[in-house]
Amino acid sequence: AQRVTQPEKLLSVFKGAPVELKCNYSYSGSPELFWYVQYSRQRLQLLLRHISRESIKGFTADLNKGETSFHLKKPFAQEEDSAMYYCALMGAGSYQLTFGKGTKLSVIP
Amino acid sequence: DTGVSQDPRHKITKRGQNVTFRCDPISEHNRLYWYRQTLGQGPEFLTYFQNEAQLEKSRLLSDRFSAERPKGSFSTLEIQRTEQGDSAMYLCASSFWGQGSYQETQYFGPGTRLLVL
Repeated sequence: AQRVTQPEKLLSVFKGAPVELKCNYSYSGSPELFWYVQYSRQRLQLLLRHISRESIKGFTADLNKGETSFHLKKPFAQEEDSAMYYCALMGAGSYQLTFGKGTKLSVIP
Repeated sequence: DTGVSQDPRHKITKRGQNVTFRCDPISEHNRLYWYRQTLGQGPEFLTYFQNEAQLEKSRLLSDRFSAERPKGSFSTLEIQRTEQGDSAMYLCASSFWGQGSYQETQYFGPGTRLLVL
């Protein structure tokens, strides 16, 4: 069975401070990992995926297969980063996303 | 707005009533997904269509739930004899997958919030 764990329900940081949103997964194989974000009163949208190895809005995430983690990082938090963040997994040959419970990021001005 | 649209956005119903939700995917997207999200949880997969064919149903989708995508475009999700436990946000997502595709992105709609009294 595949599972995604986001240990923090809420994370508060000051503007300009580094941010790390944790995500651990359980999957016997090579999954594809994603971070989705939901800003206030907006729909869920893709932030980044591990396969692209890109930085979006200053966020990066590295897939660590040894630790089965895919933590989301940003060196300097901005107020507009305040949102709900979901880590998600797609198994090989699959099409359904398995989501974690989400972490609410609050950036304090 | 050319994104995924869902109708209605909110639905309040009494226990035992039937409800139907509609999802219009992004034009030319051949894959369509339904997810359910309850309070404090991430979205959970319900079912998936490739064109008009329903290829996968989660065990979360009891016999009271039925989904269709008759012409491979819009989709409907019907819940019969609603129960209070059906109260949730129902999300629709669509994507394109074809020959030569190597990445798939699911684009989500705004959701339909159902409250069963």
